[in-house]
Amino acid sequence: KQEVTQIPAALSVPEGENLVLNCSFTDSAIYNLQWFRQDPGKGLTSLLLIQSSQREQTSGRLNASLDKSSGRSTLYIAASQPGDSATYLCVAHSNYQLIWGAGTKLIIKP
Amino acid sequence: EPEVTQTPSHQVTQMGQEVILRCVPISNHLYFYWYRQILGQKVEFLVSFYNNEISEKSEIFDDQFSVERPDGSNFTLKIRSTKLEDSAMYFCASTPAGAGGPKDTQYFGPGTRLTVL
Repeated sequence: KQEVTQIPAALSVPEGENLVLNCSFTDSAIYNLQWFRQDPGKGLTSLLLIQSSQREQTSGRLNASLDKSSGRSTLYIAASQPGDSATYLCVAHSNYQLIWGAGTKLIIKP
Repeated sequence: EPEVTQTPSHQVTQMGQEVILRCVPISNHLYFYWYRQILGQKVEFLVSFYNNEISEKSEIFDDQFSVERPDGSNFTLKIRSTKLEDSAMYFCASTPAGAGGPKDTQYFGPGTRLTVL
């Protein structure tokens, strides 16, 4: 059974720093690996999707990598801003389901 | 840009009452999903739906839950007799048609917050 783990559970950094969020999954037989952002009490915003044949995806200041063999993905955020404060969710796409991590709550201090 | 919509945004109900949560997927999508997120917990898969039938469902999706596509646009989740523990945010999602099928990117609605008193 696929399980997704995110470390750390919470992270607080000063504005301007680069940071890395980590995600691990137990079953390497995934179709996609996706990163979402969730603001408090709000919906889910898809940030990046990496297909199983890809190694990374980039969008603006965000870069996500995928290593299926080791069951790991990272989300790199460059030059962090207070507006990046949110919970970041890692999601493994297995069969007909999305398996969700518990998220990393990120706080960027001005 | 087309988007998934959900109504209502917030539903308050009494324990034991039936609720219907509504979703309008993106018009050319064929696969539909419901997820829920209890406050402070992980998002959990409930059910997937394709070709007018359930493709897969989780252990959470018991006999109290049902899904329906009553017309060409709506996709509904019904909870027959709500319990306190059904209080959660419920998200609908849909996937485009094509060879990718359920492996494609899922597009999420904004969610319906269900509060059971």
